Amino acid sequence: SQTIHQWPATLVQPVGSPLSLECTVEGTSNPNLYWYRQAAGRGLQLLFYSVGIGQISSEVPQNLSASRPQDRQFILSSKKLLLSDSGFYLCAWGFRNEQFFGPGTRLTVL
Amino acid sequence: DAKTTQPTSMDCAEGRAANLPCNHSTISGNEYVYWYRQIHSQGPQYIIHGLKNNETNEMASLIITEDRKSSTLILPHATLRDTAVYYCIVRVGSNTGKLIFGQGTTLQVKP
Repeated sequence: SQTIHQWPATLVQPVGSPLSLECTVEGTSNPNLYWYRQAAGRGLQLLFYSVGIGQISSEVPQNLSASRPQDRQFILSSKKLLLSDSGFYLCAWGFRNEQFFGPGTRLTVL
Repeated sequence: DAKTTQPTSMDCAEGRAANLPCNHSTISGNEYVYWYRQIHSQGPQYIIHGLKNNETNEMASLIITEDRKSSTLILPHATLRDTAVYYCIVRVGSNTGKLIFGQGTTLQVKP
């Protein structure tokens, strides 16, 4: 069966510090991968998606970047965090008509 | 992808059917209707999807009107664990598989 992992589960970072969130998928090959963010009290916003290694599409201009160095690995990064980067970050993988979400990382930028 | 409109919140008594409406009046012929839900502090969970026929699975039923401009998600016997935000999403089946989430309906199941 397929499993999606995200770490860390929670993270507190100072403004201006770098960020690296990792997502890995097991049990499937060549999945579509997605990064979403949910700010406090708001809906889910699609940040990036990838249909293959090295292929990244950005949905909104922002302070973040994404990379897919391996087939089942998706990384979300920032060189300098802003207060507005705080939120709940979710990684998902897609197959046919469904998306399956990871447990998420709750990021607080102070 | 077409835009959807859902009520902000709804209440339902435990054990009763929960009927969650969604309007998608600008839906085009090749767009599917998807439903996901998000329980507090968790990632969204796929529920069901359909194109034009009514669909049923172990979680819910999806009723799509004949003109496809609206749909209703039915949870036949709501439990307290069904309390969540329910998202109705319309999209074309494509290689990217992108989902654009709106604000959804917060369903509160009460004892």
